[in-house]
Amino acid sequence: EAGVTQFPSHSVIEKGQTVTLRCDPISGHDNLYWYRRVMGKEIKFLLHFVKESKQDESGMPNNRFLAERTGGTYSTLKVQPAELEDSGVYFCASSQQDLPGQKLFYDGYTFGSGTRLTVV
Amino acid sequence: DAKTTQPNSMESNEEEPVHLPCNHSTISGTDYIHWYRQLPSQGPEYVIHGLTSNVNNRMASLAIAEDRKSSTLILHRATLRDAAVYYCILRDYLGNTPLVFGKGTRLSVIA
Repeated sequence: EAGVTQFPSHSVIEKGQTVTLRCDPISGHDNLYWYRRVMGKEIKFLLHFVKESKQDESGMPNNRFLAERTGGTYSTLKVQPAELEDSGVYFCASSQQDLPGQKLFYDGYTFGSGTRLTVV
Repeated sequence: DAKTTQPNSMESNEEEPVHLPCNHSTISGTDYIHWYRQLPSQGPEYVIHGLTSNVNNRMASLAIAEDRKSSTLILHRATLRDAAVYYCILRDYLGNTPLVFGKGTRLSVIA
């Protein structure tokens, strides 16, 4: 089974430019999540999709960040315009179910390897 | 979600068992205990979860105190590949808040 795929793996852009990160979840996973880690800080939740709907976007830092998941398959996270403080590693994860107890078997979130974004 | 407390770092010898502690004294009755780990240059990886009873899977065992105020992740035989940051996370079974990562415990494994 293919895992969660993210690309690009690295991106270096100038301040003010636009960058789009892509995440391909595991096939059949309705839940898709975006997280990020900025330098020296903890991994922070950004948002959660269930199929194509945004279930929780409480972690999105500001309106420069736009996440989409058209058709409930892959997702994109666009940063426009990028600022220096947006530098960090952006992780995507997917899961068949969001919580234990919803079905018989729960195996957590599967994370991708992340996209390292550097804004200069 | 209730807060967890973990040691910043731990060290283990290869092929020895490792017990990673987590305190969660303010856990509520509806909080699941989750463990994830993050290997170098990779995304976090689900390890195990539990509610009240001890749990075993192919990766590890989870021992939950009777009062649920603490838990221990047990790696039965540490390998060099187990060197990672281990996160103990509580999350309410209703899922009203997202999975929240803290600082975790950095485990070093010595050959």
